[in-house]
Amino acid sequence: DTGVSQDPRHKITKRGQNVTFRCDPISEHNRLYWYRQTLGQGPEFLTYFQNEAQLEKSRLLSDRFSAERPKGSFSTLEIQRTEQGDSAMYLCASSLGGGREKLFFGSGTQLSVL
Amino acid sequence: GIQVEQSPPDLILQEGANSTLRCNFSDSVNNLQWFHQNPWGQLINLFYIPSGTKQNGRLSATTVATERYSLLYISSSQTTDSGVYFCAVGFILTGGGNKLTFGTGTQLKVEL
Repeated sequence: DTGVSQDPRHKITKRGQNVTFRCDPISEHNRLYWYRQTLGQGPEFLTYFQNEAQLEKSRLLSDRFSAERPKGSFSTLEIQRTEQGDSAMYLCASSLGGGREKLFFGSGTQLSVL
Repeated sequence: GIQVEQSPPDLILQEGANSTLRCNFSDSVNNLQWFHQNPWGQLINLFYIPSGTKQNGRLSATTVATERYSLLYISSSQTTDSGVYFCAVGFILTGGGNKLTFGTGTQLKVEL
């Protein structure tokens, strides 16, 4: 069990550029979540996958955000036309499912939009 | 939406001291989890505790769901306990997933 892995750890980009983050969940976990955390706040839910199906999206997830989990394993989160307000820590979490809903978080990707 | 309030917001302890952190929530929930976010940003799940009491080493947690609160006890605190403690209440989503709403956090600093 290597835990939830996220890449990159840090990303600096210019406003208007597109960025993509990757998350590798714990291998036997079939549920995967994306959260966003800004300075001084707790994480906020963005979206969740059951295997490859995206089953829930928050209103925080604007049209510029898209997430995929093509084979039910790793997931990507893409932000198009980044804005300064997108600067935050993007956290991925996974859970085993089947009623075992303890969430395990990765180390996150810190995004800075200049 | 549901409100999740934690107290105290900040806490400074001498190494070896004990403390109690509280989490109040405004509505019924499916489950509750406690997390420790260390100074490097890593969120560690301490407890999945929808009700009752659990213990793990120097930490224990109690949730009284009917009264909408949870407590986290830290005994014999160590400098490595420093960081932010979050409680998060969970709601089951379509397909069985668990959407967490995080509280306001307690910033803990343990000094030598």
